[in-house]
Amino acid sequence: GENVEQHPSTLSVQEGDSAVIKCTYSDSASNYFPWYKQELGKRPQLIIDIRSNVGEKKDQRIAVTLNKTAKHFSLHITETQPEDSAVYFCAANRGSTLGRLYFGRGTQLTVWP
Amino acid sequence: ETGVTQSPTHLIKTRGQQVTLRCSSQSGHNTVSWYQQALGQGPQFIFQYYREEENGRGNFPPRFSGLQFPNYSSELNVNALELDDSALYLCASSLAGRGGEQYFGPGTRLTVT
Repeated sequence: GENVEQHPSTLSVQEGDSAVIKCTYSDSASNYFPWYKQELGKRPQLIIDIRSNVGEKKDQRIAVTLNKTAKHFSLHITETQPEDSAVYFCAANRGSTLGRLYFGRGTQLTVWP
Repeated sequence: ETGVTQSPTHLIKTRGQQVTLRCSSQSGHNTVSWYQQALGQGPQFIFQYYREEENGRGNFPPRFSGLQFPNYSSELNVNALELDDSALYLCASSLAGRGGEQYFGPGTRLTVT
């Protein structure tokens, strides 16, 4: 099956700085890569996703890049704000109609004011 | 916020007991996936239901079972509870044909003593 690894496990940045979280996957058939943000005690919230026919996708201050050859994808958050503090999870699946998501272990992002 | 709801919010059970958790999918969604999230970990796939049938299962024993109803809502049943079953149980709703996008409910926090 798929194996998703995520780094770093914790990340602290100053407000206004950028944050980058990286993930690798093992299954070359995976072609859908979502990112979820989970605040303490809340549900994972889908914040951005990318499919394998695209190399980069942006939505305001967040962007995701995908390198299919190297089997890695990254989340970039610019101009970080304290409300960005949360646990971020990357995931992968085959992008099929149905099917499971394989999650990384998460990154605790802390943004200091 | 997604339209996915779960009940109950919290539950405390004793080892050996049985529990039923419930999930209502987002309007228009016909697929429900269940995940177990242990403290400090990413969600782990339990199984998925589509058209009232189980469609894929993760590495969980048969004492984890489920149902999907004609209105697409779903139940997760766990028999013979063990201490290690203590976790946040998340359901995610999706629409077949949308290529992997899953939206999570708020979860049920199960504590087994």
